Amino acid sequence: DIQMTQSPSLLSASVGDRVTLNCKASQNINKNLNWYQQNLGEAPKLLIYYTNNLQTGIPSRFSGSGSGTDYTLTISSLQPEDVATYYCYQYNSGLTFGSGTKLEIK
Amino acid sequence: EVQLQESGPGLVKPSQSLSLTCSVTGYSITSNYWGWIRKFPGNKMEWMGYISYSGSTSYPPSLKSRISITRDTSKNQFFLQLNSVTTEDTATYYCTRLGTVSYWYFDFWGPGIMVTVSS
Repeated sequence: DIQMTQSPSLLSASVGDRVTLNCKASQNINKNLNWYQQNLGEAPKLLIYYTNNLQTGIPSRFSGSGSGTDYTLTISSLQPEDVATYYCYQYNSGLTFGSGTKLEIK
Repeated sequence: EVQLQESGPGLVKPSQSLSLTCSVTGYSITSNYWGWIRKFPGNKMEWMGYISYSGSTSYPPSLKSRISITRDTSKNQFFLQLNSVTTEDTATYYCTRLGTVSYWYFDFWGPGIMVTVSS
């Protein structure tokens, strides 16, 4: 099975900061990676698919990049409503999730 | 608008079967793929499988021996049955729509149902 490791597990940043969340696969996943945002008590919401494609309706401050085993989700200017837990998952072989990064406002 | 809603018992005894229903409105389950994902306490998430527009199914090897996903197209519902549950199956269960098999993203989700396995 492909293992997905997200870092950091907890991130505290200020409003307006540029924030980068990381997701590392145990082997090459050929950009077959999606990102979700989950607010407490809500269902996950799709942000980015296939590494860098912004889902319809998602603000442009969110972007994704990466290749091979290393991927990032970037928020260009952190907003209060971005407080959430962010998950990546790969679908290159089976489907496995990372353990999440909890994003807080400093 | 596509809406999904999980229903079923919130408490299941060990060794019994967990059975959940996902009711879909705003879209026919005879199109696209429909699946289940669960989130464990501690935030680990696991894809449990899907049923396709044609009724074919796919499950991860870790669950294949004890899971079944079925559907009732007349009611626009699909179902999860997980057999021989243990306390490790305690989780929040989400039903989802797979937006596309090209990029394997789940574009619509139910709100989730918490299921506890306990005697």
